[in-house]
Amino acid sequence: GAVVSQHPSRVICKSGTSVKIECRSLDFQATTMFWYRQFPKQSLMLMATSNEGSKATYEQGVEKDKFLINHASLTLSTLTVTSAHPEDSSFYICSARGDISYNSPLHFGNGTRLTVT
Amino acid sequence: AQSVTQPDIHITVSEGASLELRCNYSYGATPYLFWYVQSPGQGLQLLLKYFSGDTLVQGIKGFEAEFKRSQSSFNLRKPSVHWSDAAEYFCAVGGTGNQFYFGTGTSLTVIP
Repeated sequence: GAVVSQHPSRVICKSGTSVKIECRSLDFQATTMFWYRQFPKQSLMLMATSNEGSKATYEQGVEKDKFLINHASLTLSTLTVTSAHPEDSSFYICSARGDISYNSPLHFGNGTRLTVT
Repeated sequence: AQSVTQPDIHITVSEGASLELRCNYSYGATPYLFWYVQSPGQGLQLLLKYFSGDTLVQGIKGFEAEFKRSQSSFNLRKPSVHWSDAAEYFCAVGGTGNQFYFGTGTSLTVIP
C-alpha cells in the first residue's frame, strides 16, 4: 500500500515554456503532499508543502510564482514550473504520508527529471 | 535544532562483505527515524523505520538498523551486500507535524 505515482518521469522543454508535474496517491488519500528538489549528488531540498483545498506553504527562498502548486483533490497535487529556465533543470520528487499519524513515513514518487534547454 | 548527519559521503564495499552506514541525529523529543534508498533516477524507497520499542529494527532487502539513544545514532547494517544494493542511502528523522529532516546521503558502491 501507500503508492505514490509521479508523472512524467522525464521531460525536456524549451526555455520560457511551462511544465506541469503530477503527483498522485494511488491507494490512499493524502491531505498533504510534499515537493522536493534534488540536485546531483545532493540530498533532498523541501520546496513546498501542498495542502488539499488550500494554498501551498513554500520554504524560504522558493519562488511561489515560479513553482505553482495545486492540490485540487485528496489524491492529486501538481507542480507547474512556469517560464522555465535552464537553472530550473533538476530532479523533482513528490511525497506523501500514508496516513495522518504524525509518525508515519513519507512515501515517494519516482521523481521527474526536468531538463530545460 | 533538528538535524541529521551522515558522516560518510561515499562507501565502497566488496560484494558479500558486511555494511554499516552511519547516521546521527539531533532532535529535541523522541525521534521517528527512517532509512530510505534511492536508485539512480528514481524516487526514495523506505527501507525501515523506528518509532519505539525494540531498538533493533528489521527492514526490507535484508537491512536492519539499531537505535542508540545514548549515541543519538541510527546506523544501517547489512550482513552481506549484494551488487544490487549499490545506491544512495538517506537517513531521515521525523517528528510531530509534517517536518522531515534528511541527511545528505551516503553513496554506496559495491565491487565484485
